[in-house]
Amino acid sequence: EIVLTQSPGTLSLSPGERATLSCRASQSLSSSYLAWYQQKPGQAPRLLIYGASSRATGIPDRFSGSGSGTDFTLTISRLEPEDFAVYYCQQYGNSQRTFGPGTKVDIK
Amino acid sequence: EVQLVESGGGLVQPGGSLRLSCAASGFSFSSYWMTWVRQAPGKGLEWVANIKQDGSEMYCVDAVKGRFTISRDNAKNSLYLQMNSLRAEDTAVYYCARESRAAAGTKNDYWGQGTLVTVSS
Repeated sequence: EIVLTQSPGTLSLSPGERATLSCRASQSLSSSYLAWYQQKPGQAPRLLIYGASSRATGIPDRFSGSGSGTDFTLTISRLEPEDFAVYYCQQYGNSQRTFGPGTKVDIK
Repeated sequence: EVQLVESGGGLVQPGGSLRLSCAASGFSFSSYWMTWVRQAPGKGLEWVANIKQDGSEMYCVDAVKGRFTISRDNAKNSLYLQMNSLRAEDTAVYYCARESRAAAGTKNDYWGQGTLVTVSS
C-alpha cells in the first residue's frame, strides 16, 4: 500500500494570499498517478489536478500542481473566498488507490 | 452531461447487508473503470473499490475484502456495491466516481452526490 502524508493539517490564510500544500508518498510515484481534489462541506469531491500538474476542465489557473517521485505540491496563487475548503491528494500508482488525510484551508 | 446518481443507502443493523447502486448517464459507461469511495462522518476520503470496463478485474481496500463486492451491468449503465457483514465503522457517505485513464494521467473526473449508509443497532 502506498501511504500519502499531507501537510500541514490546517492552513490558516487570508484571501489574496498564496497557499502551498504538500503531499508526500511512501514510495516513488509516476507523476501520471497523482491527483488533487477539493471538497467543500456537504459536497462531493471535485477534481482539480491530475498527472501531478494538469488542470482539470474548468479549473482556474490560480491552481497549479508540481512535483515528482515522492514529493508533490498544490499551489493556489491567490486565494479567493470560494477556495477555503479541504484538499486531498490521491495516488493511482498501484491497484489499491489511496488518499492523503487532507489539508484544510481556512480563513485567518 | 455526465451524471452519476447513487441510491440504496440507509440504516442497517450490524451484521446486515445493503446493496448500493450508481446510475450513470451522459457518457459511454462501458468504456470506463468505475470506483466507489467513502467518507465517514467528519473524516477524510477512503478509496473502497474499483472495477474494469468489462468487470474482469476488481480491486478493493483490505478493510472490506471478503465483505464487499463491486459489480457492474453495462447494459443498464449501472455500478453496484454489495455490502455484507456490515460494521459500525462502515458508516459513511458512499460516492461512485468515474475513473479516466489517459497518457496525461489517471483521475476520478466525475462524482455522484453520495448516499449515506448508517450501521447501527
